[in-house]
Amino acid sequence: GDSVTQMEGPVTLSEEAFLTINCTYTATGYPSLFWYVQYPGEGLQLLLKATKADDKGSNKGFEATYRKETTSFHLEKGSVQVSDSAVYFCALKTGTASKLTFGTGTRLQVTL
Amino acid sequence: DTAVSQTPKYLVTQMGNDKSIKCEQNLGHDTMYWYKQDSKKFLKIMFSYNNKELIINETVPNRFSPKSPDKAHLNLHINSLELGDSAVYFCASSQSQGSYEQYFGPGTRLTVT
Repeated sequence: GDSVTQMEGPVTLSEEAFLTINCTYTATGYPSLFWYVQYPGEGLQLLLKATKADDKGSNKGFEATYRKETTSFHLEKGSVQVSDSAVYFCALKTGTASKLTFGTGTRLQVTL
Repeated sequence: DTAVSQTPKYLVTQMGNDKSIKCEQNLGHDTMYWYKQDSKKFLKIMFSYNNKELIINETVPNRFSPKSPDKAHLNLHINSLELGDSAVYFCASSQSQGSYEQYFGPGTRLTVT
């Protein structure tokens, strides 16, 4: 079945540091890939998406590129802020199915 | 205006009780979902409804019964609560089954003692 593997957290960075959160996937067919973010005490919000190979999703300074050859969708940001502290979830969706398969989430803590 | 709302936000109850969580979306979406997030933040889909019709039913104990009175509402009823049911339950909606984006509610933290 489909699965998503994320790096374990927590990831602790100083403000303005470079961020990478690794995500790899296993899926039948050609999935669409997503990063969702969960701020403390809130529900998940879509951060960015990519629907086909080599697509780059970007939003709020975050980027991720759909790499079919390495089955990866790593999240990056050049300079993190304290307000980016949250849990980040990589997810995939195959075909027209409505089901999202999530990774286990990676907690990011940014300090001054 | 809140897009996806859930009530209650917190629910503390004893083992063996029956409880319900309500969800409403005002986005005009056709598809709604229930997810369970455990203490390690792992998020797993439980159910999905499209236009009041059940389309996803993962391997969830039959003590959990979703009900969709109309396409704007998806409620979750849980019978004979167990300690392992303690989790955060998220409702979500999307415009259609094939939509890329799902909109999540704020979650209901259920604690079974």
